Amino acid sequence: QQPVQSPQAVILREGEDAVINCSSSKALYSVHWYRQKHGEAPVFLMILLKGGEQKGHEKISASFNEKKQQSSLYLTASQLSYSGTYFCGTTDSWGKLQFGAGTQVVVTP
Amino acid sequence: DTEVTQTPKHLVMGMTNKKSLKCEQHMGHRAMYWYKQKAKKPPELMFVYSYEKLSINESVPSRFSPECPNSSLLNLHLHALQPEDSALYLCASSQDTLRDNEQFFGPGTRLTVL
Repeated sequence: QQPVQSPQAVILREGEDAVINCSSSKALYSVHWYRQKHGEAPVFLMILLKGGEQKGHEKISASFNEKKQQSSLYLTASQLSYSGTYFCGTTDSWGKLQFGAGTQVVVTP
Repeated sequence: DTEVTQTPKHLVMGMTNKKSLKCEQHMGHRAMYWYKQKAKKPPELMFVYSYEKLSINESVPSRFSPECPNSSLLNLHLHALQPEDSALYLCASSQDTLRDNEQFFGPGTRLTVL
């Protein structure tokens, strides 16, 4: 089952903050976050693992609530370069990565 | 080299044509993936290769035929496609298929089926 993302879209001014949420009805073992700019490939941002381990870029902040089966990605002091579509993804034991529908982020000057 | 390359960038083909998409990585990754992405939708997994063996086929129609000739190369052979198969086809690779490994995506091949 596809993870559920919210909001679908968000418009920010430079410097503002935003939160993107990702939830699943299935038990989560890991949550992946990717950003895709228009016409480009998805780019890895972060992996959050059960037990609290994280792998990713230092400037990206995210949380993982295992009990609630939710993850949140925090965009802090947004920059124009943060614009794009953000996807969360969950993996099963076979390595199958299933993406949520995506959150479109637009940062304006 | 942390790059996944895909060729061609664009492909237009008729429903009777046979064509192939190519993907290459030189990061020593042992897992490789094909995804299909329609406009304004997330990537959808098609196939997973782990150590050069097909480990996941997401019930993809047989007109799509993957091939992994070696650990660096992944092909997707196309035959008798339908117009609804028009999409961006993304290749990705990762260290292996464990959950804690990020996937590196190639730029994709934009396929148009006439």
